[in-house]
Amino acid sequence: EPEVTQTPSHQVTQMGQEVILRCVPISNHLYFYWYRQILGQKVEFLVSFYNNEISEKSEIFDDQFSVERPDGSNFTLKIRSTKLEDSAMYFCASSPGTRLTGELFFGEGSRLTVL
Amino acid sequence: QKEVEQNSGPLSVPEGAIASLNCTYSDRGSQSFFWYRQYSGKSPELIMFIYSNGDKEDGRFTAQLNKASQYVSLLIRDSQPSDSATYLCAVIGNQFYFGTGTSLTVIP
Repeated sequence: EPEVTQTPSHQVTQMGQEVILRCVPISNHLYFYWYRQILGQKVEFLVSFYNNEISEKSEIFDDQFSVERPDGSNFTLKIRSTKLEDSAMYFCASSPGTRLTGELFFGEGSRLTVL
Repeated sequence: QKEVEQNSGPLSVPEGAIASLNCTYSDRGSQSFFWYRQYSGKSPELIMFIYSNGDKEDGRFTAQLNKASQYVSLLIRDSQPSDSATYLCAVIGNQFYFGTGTSLTVIP
């Protein structure tokens, strides 16, 4: 069964360092998303991506964040200069259809720890 | 103003009982509603979606939607210990909003 894969599963970094989280969405899906979940808190929307551009982003997704689809398969989230409060689980998700009908298929997540 | 609200719980029910999970949302224009289950340390997985007012049944799960009241619920019949997880209500408005989740424990 196709699945969304994320790497790394866990990354530890120093405050101020750049981090790139990688995702391989399901191959025939059109919509891609990043969410984060701070420990014990809710799943928060960061950004959605469609047709090689950002379609929506939340107020969390500030200039420190960027997304890219560098080739036909990978979808990356970059955090330019990490802060302590960026420590969270980051989930990538993809969806085959439009926002209104699409089930989100989540990857297993990348846990980011900023020291 | 919170887009999606859920009781955080924890909700405890005995095995075999009905678990009732509730969710309210603020965006009256929302059209699609989802229930996801999240085991501790794992990613959310879809249980059910509902678009129309009324009930939708899938096995032991029933989703109920009342757009006039901006309310969506999930009933789990014959609850099993494996149903113990956090249940996330998700609503599609301008974005795909998740509630904070309700923690459910099914006691054997």
